[in-house]
Amino acid sequence: GAVVSQHPSWVICKSGTSVKIECRSLDFQATTMFWYRQFPKQSLMLMATSNEGSKATYEQGVEKDKFLINHASLTLSTLTVTSAHPEDSSFYICSARDVGTGIMNTEAFFGQGTRLTVV
Amino acid sequence: SQELEQSPQSLIVQEGKNLTINCTSSKTLYGLYWYKQKYGEGLIFLMMLQKGGEEKSHEKITAKLDEKKQQSSLHITASQPSHAGIYLCGADIGGQAGTALIFGKGTTLSVSS
Repeated sequence: GAVVSQHPSWVICKSGTSVKIECRSLDFQATTMFWYRQFPKQSLMLMATSNEGSKATYEQGVEKDKFLINHASLTLSTLTVTSAHPEDSSFYICSARDVGTGIMNTEAFFGQGTRLTVV
Repeated sequence: SQELEQSPQSLIVQEGKNLTINCTSSKTLYGLYWYKQKYGEGLIFLMMLQKGGEEKSHEKITAKLDEKKQQSSLHITASQPSHAGIYLCGADIGGQAGTALIFGKGTTLSVSS
C-alpha cells in the first residue's frame, strides 16, 4: 500500500536555530500534503495544507513565518521550524492522500512523525 | 471548537473485557477513519467508514457508522494488552476530495492483565 515517509523521526536543537522536517510520498503523487502538530495527551491539530507549486494554506493561529512549508515536487513537502524555541517542542506529523483516482474519500496516509525538542 | 467529540477520554479495562469508544460530530461525516497510535509514534490505520449504517470488522475490532453519518463507535471484543494505545477518530467533513482530516481528542486505552 501507499506509504508516507517522514524524516527525521526525532531531533534536538538549540533555541534560535532552524529545523527542517521532510515528508515524502513513496508510491503516489501528492499534490496536497498536510502538516499536523500534537502535544502530549492531545489530538492532532492541523497546522497547514501544503500545495505543490503554490503557497501553503495555514490554519488560524499558525505563524506562517515561523513554520515555513515548501512543496517543490509531487512527492516531497518540507516543514521548517525557524528560530525554534522550547515552546515549539512537539510531535509533528505529515499526511498525504492519493487523489489520483478521483475518489473523494481515500485513505489518509501518515508519516511516522517527528519528535522535536528545543533546548 | 472541537468538531469531533470522542469519548471516553481514557479507559482502563481488564484483559478479556469488551469496550466501546464513541466519536460524534455535529456535522455530516463524509468519511470516518479510526486510527491507533502509540504515544510519540505515527498513526496505524484501522478502518474507514463511508456509508450510513456501514460496519466493518478486523480481528477483534468492529467499527460502525450510524445511519445519519454523524456518530461512529469502535468496539473491541475480548481486549488484550496489545490493544493498549491511543485511539483516534478522524473525519472528512468538508465533502471535497483530498482535504485534511480533523481529529477527535483521542481515547487512551489501558488493558490490565
